Amino acid sequence: SQTIHQWPATLVQPVGSPLSLECTVEGTSNPNLYWYRQAAGRGLQLLFYSVGIGQISSEVPQNLSASRPQDRQFILSSKKLLLSDSGFYLCAWSTHAAGNTIYFGEGSWLTVV
Amino acid sequence: GENVEQHPSTLSVQEGDSAVIKCTYSDSASNYFPWYKQELGKGPQLIIDIRSNVGEKKDQRIAVTLNKTAKHFSLHITETQPEDSAVYFCAAGLVRGSQGNLIFGKGTKLSVKP
Repeated sequence: SQTIHQWPATLVQPVGSPLSLECTVEGTSNPNLYWYRQAAGRGLQLLFYSVGIGQISSEVPQNLSASRPQDRQFILSSKKLLLSDSGFYLCAWSTHAAGNTIYFGEGSWLTVV
Repeated sequence: GENVEQHPSTLSVQEGDSAVIKCTYSDSASNYFPWYKQELGKGPQLIIDIRSNVGEKKDQRIAVTLNKTAKHFSLHITETQPEDSAVYFCAAGLVRGSQGNLIFGKGTKLSVKP
């Protein structure tokens, strides 16, 4: 069966510091991968999605970036965090074989102080 | 692009009562409508989904209905239990071939009082 791992689970970072959140998917190949952000009390905002290695689409302009160095690895990064980057970040995957249903990881809480 | 509206934003029911959450969408090309349940501090979990060739789908106490003409779909939870308390998200999108993307509603916080 497929599993998704996301880390770290919680992170407290000072303004201006870098960020790296990592996500890996197991049990499937060539998945679509996604990064979503969920601000407190709000819905899910798609930040990036990827249909293959090195193929990244950005949905919202911001100071975040994403990379996909391997088929089942998706990384969310920032060179300099802003206070407004605080939130709950969710990695997700989907495949055509799984009906294109999106499955989420457990999320990473980021607090920028 | 697609836009999804979800109502109500909060819902409080007594244990054993039914709960209904409604969503509307704007893009008539959307063909996939999942519902997710999110417990505090966790990622959303898929609970039921429906595709545009089906009008209703049931899974035990949970059912989803879809009206493509009116572009709305609803989640029905019967005989609610305290463990149903969570935030529920609807989503809509066009799933085609190997690609698909979803637009999510803003969520409904459901509280089931014992």
